[in-house]
Amino acid sequence: DVVLTQTPPTLSATIGQSVSISCRSSQSLLHSNGNTYLHWLLQRPGQSPQLLIYSVSRLESGVPNRFSGSGSGTDFTLKISGVEAEDLGVYYCVQGTHAPYTFGAGTKLELK
Amino acid sequence: QVQLTESGPGLVHPSETLSLTCTVSGFSLTGYSVYWVRQPSGKGLEWMGRMRYNGDTSYNSALKSRLSISRDTSKNQVFLKMNSLQTDDTGTYYCTIGGYWGQGVMVTVSS
Repeated sequence: DVVLTQTPPTLSATIGQSVSISCRSSQSLLHSNGNTYLHWLLQRPGQSPQLLIYSVSRLESGVPNRFSGSGSGTDFTLKISGVEAEDLGVYYCVQGTHAPYTFGAGTKLELK
Repeated sequence: QVQLTESGPGLVHPSETLSLTCTVSGFSLTGYSVYWVRQPSGKGLEWMGRMRYNGDTSYNSALKSRLSISRDTSKNQVFLKMNSLQTDDTGTYYCTIGGYWGQGVMVTVSS
């Protein structure tokens, strides 16, 4: 199974600060159809996860454009350009290229 | 309007079988895949399995021997059955489709 390694496990930020989260895969997430199925989710405290970015860099409808995703192959990054209070929670990367699909362990974003 | 609702028993005894239902509105099960994900209390997300739009299934390697996912397209429902439950199966179980998530159902395994 594909292993996704997220770093850092915890991130402390001030409001307005820009931060990045890394997700590294144990094998390439480039599908044979040419797509890369690496997605990012946010789970706020007490809530269900919500999709932020799909297929590496595509912003889900309604998600603020301060969120952006990049990467290819095995290395991917989620960037938040100017953290806001509502961004606090746990961020997960998830891959849907190789079944069974797998999640990263999560990165908890806290206020400094 | 898209809505996913998970339902099932809140309490299951050890060694028994868990049966959950995901009722979907706003998506056709023959056009989209449905996924089951669980989360032990205070821990991360675990991908359990998938009911593909064409009826194919795929399972988490660690759960494969205990897990079964099926569906009723006429009712737009997807079912999860997992046997031989133990206390570490306690947690919140979610279904998800097309980027949308249900509210989850809390399952406690206890005698």
